[in-house]
Amino acid sequence: GAGVSQSPRYKVAKRGQDVALRCDPISGHVSLFWYQQALGQGPEFLTYFQNEAQLDKSGLPSDRFFAERPEGSVSTLKIQRTQQEDSAVYLCASSKEVNTEAFFGQGTRLTV
Amino acid sequence: AQSVTQLDSHVSVSEGTPVLLRCNYSSSYSPSLFWYVQHPNKGLQLLLKYTSAATLVKGINGFEAEFKKSETSFHLTKPSAHMSDAAEYFCVVIASGRDDKIIFGKGTRLHILP
Repeated sequence: GAGVSQSPRYKVAKRGQDVALRCDPISGHVSLFWYQQALGQGPEFLTYFQNEAQLDKSGLPSDRFFAERPEGSVSTLKIQRTQQEDSAVYLCASSKEVNTEAFFGQGTRLTV
Repeated sequence: AQSVTQLDSHVSVSEGTPVLLRCNYSSSYSPSLFWYVQHPNKGLQLLLKYTSAATLVKGINGFEAEFKKSETSFHLTKPSAHMSDAAEYFCVVIASGRDDKIIFGKGTRLHILP
């Protein structure tokens, strides 16, 4: 596709349920980012991949959060045992090269 | 480490009057700076970017921003506001170093008064 695609667009989970959020970046983009945007707030960094390597996961709020990009393209953000405070929009972005503009997906709105 | 400060959480202007959204940054390396806009229930859209070329950057929808290194600022302006400009605006920095995180400001919500 032409842009970054995220699925599902909306997810409602019961507290304690595991969820998986998918991101399809723009084809050929090296960098992939995940952000969490709470209601009325700016996006907060979660994690960053360069190809399949997870170079920075300092923003992941707890060990219940896990992200992977095994083949350097599609990425999945997994949240285990969801809590109410996990409710947010999760944004994925990709960029062609390091330090170039990032293109954002529409996000997945998670409601716990 | 880099950071971004958007000085106003809300800005209200009348339609047809100038817009100024303020942004200051901190970076240990030569930064790349961006402004993104987010309309309600829409994705983030790039307005403009500065990447060490011209200090005055023109973006879409009539927006401009000027990089001022001495003031560590990258304020967003538009000569004449339109109702459709009502949205959330984010100033973003990427430092050209080992740390390639995209850092967002807290955002400024722009209200356009009729």
